[in-house]
Amino acid sequence: LAKTTQPISMDSYEGQEVNITCSHNNIATNDYITWYQQFPSQGPRFIIQGYKTKVTNEVASLFIPADRKSSTLSLPRVSLSDTAVYYCLVGELVGEKLTFGTGTRLTIIP
Amino acid sequence: AAGVIQSPRHLIKEKRETATLKCYPIPRHDTVYWYQQGPGQDPQFLISFYEKMQSDKGSIPDRFSAQQFSDYHSELNMSSLELGDSALYFCASSFGAGADEQYFGPGTRLTVT
Repeated sequence: LAKTTQPISMDSYEGQEVNITCSHNNIATNDYITWYQQFPSQGPRFIIQGYKTKVTNEVASLFIPADRKSSTLSLPRVSLSDTAVYYCLVGELVGEKLTFGTGTRLTIIP
Repeated sequence: AAGVIQSPRHLIKEKRETATLKCYPIPRHDTVYWYQQGPGQDPQFLISFYEKMQSDKGSIPDRFSAQQFSDYHSELNMSSLELGDSALYFCASSFGAGADEQYFGPGTRLTVT
């Protein structure tokens, strides 16, 4: 499994765009990059997944450079409710277990 | 939309007792995963089942066992409980092979005293 490295914590003000970068230098050819969000005492929630280039959905964008050794989760115009821990996970699909590393604790400041 | 159901939501047990946690996956989901999250820690994978067969095993103690039943619900049985077993236990479900998203339940908070 590819090891991931993320910042331990980040602060941002409401209304700003937040970018969280994850390093995964040993990503394998078959690996996908997935981000989950977790609020205190709740189960993680899927945010977005990608393989290469850019993926966008209604809540976030995921930017993946050509070498795929890193990825950036972008949250547009954050609000206080975006305060949570964000996990970057790398692995194959096909019903594989999720291996959580140390996520990024994002705090949104009013 | 239906979500993953876990019961009980809270459980208090004493050391050396046993506990059973239940998980009801989203309808038509055939894969169930169990995760343990200790205080201030990240979720750790315990075990998973696909079509009622164990599909993967993580750092699950030998004191724990689990199974998936014919209706796809799953139970995590924990015996000889230790103080260190106090944690949030999450169940997640997905639909079969090629699933790119796991849906997590609200968790069961187990406290061992």
